[in-house]
Amino acid sequence: GENVEQHPSTLSVQEGDSAVIKCTYSDSASNYFPWYKQELGKRPQLIIDIRSNVGEKKDQRIAVTLNKTAKHFSLHITETQPEDSAVYFCAASIGGTSYGKLTFGQGTILTVHP
Amino acid sequence: KAGVTQTPRYLIKTRGQQVTLSCSPISGHRSVSWYQQTPGQGLQFLFEYFSETQRNKGNFPGRFSGRQFSNSRSEMNVSTLELGDSALYLCASSLGPGNIQYFGAGTRLSVL
Repeated sequence: GENVEQHPSTLSVQEGDSAVIKCTYSDSASNYFPWYKQELGKRPQLIIDIRSNVGEKKDQRIAVTLNKTAKHFSLHITETQPEDSAVYFCAASIGGTSYGKLTFGQGTILTVHP
Repeated sequence: KAGVTQTPRYLIKTRGQQVTLSCSPISGHRSVSWYQQTPGQGLQFLFEYFSETQRNKGNFPGRFSGRQFSNSRSEMNVSTLELGDSALYLCASSLGPGNIQYFGAGTRLSVL
C-alpha cells in the first residue's frame, strides 16, 4: 500500500522566516495531495491541496509544489507568524474509489518564535 | 452550515468492553472516513463509507467495524477493547470522490 514519509519531524523558525516541509510517497498512482494543519487540541484543517495534473499551487503565504517523477511534494510557508505554530500533516490518495482513503505522513511540529 | 460532529467527545472504558462512536457529517456530504490518531503511529486510516457502503478498509483487526446510515451518519464500533486502542478517533466527511475531507473534533478514547 501507499507509504508517505515526512521530514523534518520538528522545525523551529524565527517569525518572518520561511518554512519548508517535504513529503515523499511510494505509490505512483497517487494523484491527490492535501496538507492539514492541526493546532493543539483541535481538529486537522485543510490548508492547501494539489492534484497530480498541477505542479504548483499558491494561496497567499502558503504554496505547495509537486514533483511526480521524484514522487515528492513540499509545503512552503513564507513570512511565518507565531500563529503558524502547529503540527502539519501531508497526505496522499490514489483517487478513484479510494479517494476517501488518505495516507498521512508522520507530521511536522512547526514552532515560530516571535 | 454545521461542521462534522462527533459524539461523545471523551470516553473511558476498560479492557474487554466495547464502544460505539458516532459521526454526523456536514449536511449534504455522503462520504465518511474514519482515522485513528496516536502519538506513536500518527494518523491511520480505518475505513471509508459512501452511500451506506464500505468502500475502503485500513489495516486494522476485525474488532474495528463501522457502518453508515441512509442519512449519511456513521458509527464505528470497537469490540474487546485493548489498552492499545487508546487514541483520538477522527472522522472526516466529504461530498464524495474527489472532494475535500473535513474533520470532526474527534472522540478521545481511553482504555484502562
